[in-house]
Amino acid sequence: DAGVTQSPTHLIKTRGQQVTLRCSPKSGHDTVSWYQQALGQGPQFIFQYYEEEERQRGNFPDRFSGHQFPNYSSELNVNALLLGDSALYLCASSGTGGGQETQYFGPGTRLLVL
Amino acid sequence: AQKVTQAQTEISVVEKEDVTLDCVYETRDTTYYLFWYKQPPSGELVFLIRRNSFDEQNEISGRYSWNFQKSTSSFNFTITASQVVDSAVYFCALSEAEGNTPLVFGKGTRLSVIA
Repeated sequence: DAGVTQSPTHLIKTRGQQVTLRCSPKSGHDTVSWYQQALGQGPQFIFQYYEEEERQRGNFPDRFSGHQFPNYSSELNVNALLLGDSALYLCASSGTGGGQETQYFGPGTRLLVL
Repeated sequence: AQKVTQAQTEISVVEKEDVTLDCVYETRDTTYYLFWYKQPPSGELVFLIRRNSFDEQNEISGRYSWNFQKSTSSFNFTITASQVVDSAVYFCALSEAEGNTPLVFGKGTRLSVIA
């Protein structure tokens, strides 16, 4: 049973560029949440996707957008990259109901913006 | 608003010592979940435990144990007979109990177990 997978593992971009990160949820899960973890900090919630729609959003600007596909996989897009966007981006998947809401995390994508 | 405080930034212990990681939370919700996750150097957050606010029973899983005290809004984590493989950053987190709600994390405690 594959866990949550993310790609790529590492990325280096320059300011102003755009980036797309990808996530495949754990088998049987239909909800994907994205978190940003700056160095030395706890993860911060970006947004959550369910049934191909953004269901909840944290305090992040519109430069951060996402998408969920019919197979429940998800993408996180960040436009007009800033130096401060350098972080570990974590994807978490979870199920719906029956105690399935525990979020399981992928290995993350380390983004460096130069 | 919800908040999680992990006052210990870094802890260093010698192998086989017991260690307790503290977690204090704030929430106005009457029902909520508390979590602990482990983050080894690889970066992946590994789920350790989820506790419902109605269940104040302490839990033990092997060398790990958790002490939930609603009266002090604390959910502390103890590792007994620590091992080098326990070295990681440990995060305490909180979420509402209804549906898939976002996790609010503390800043984490970095545990180093020295052989």
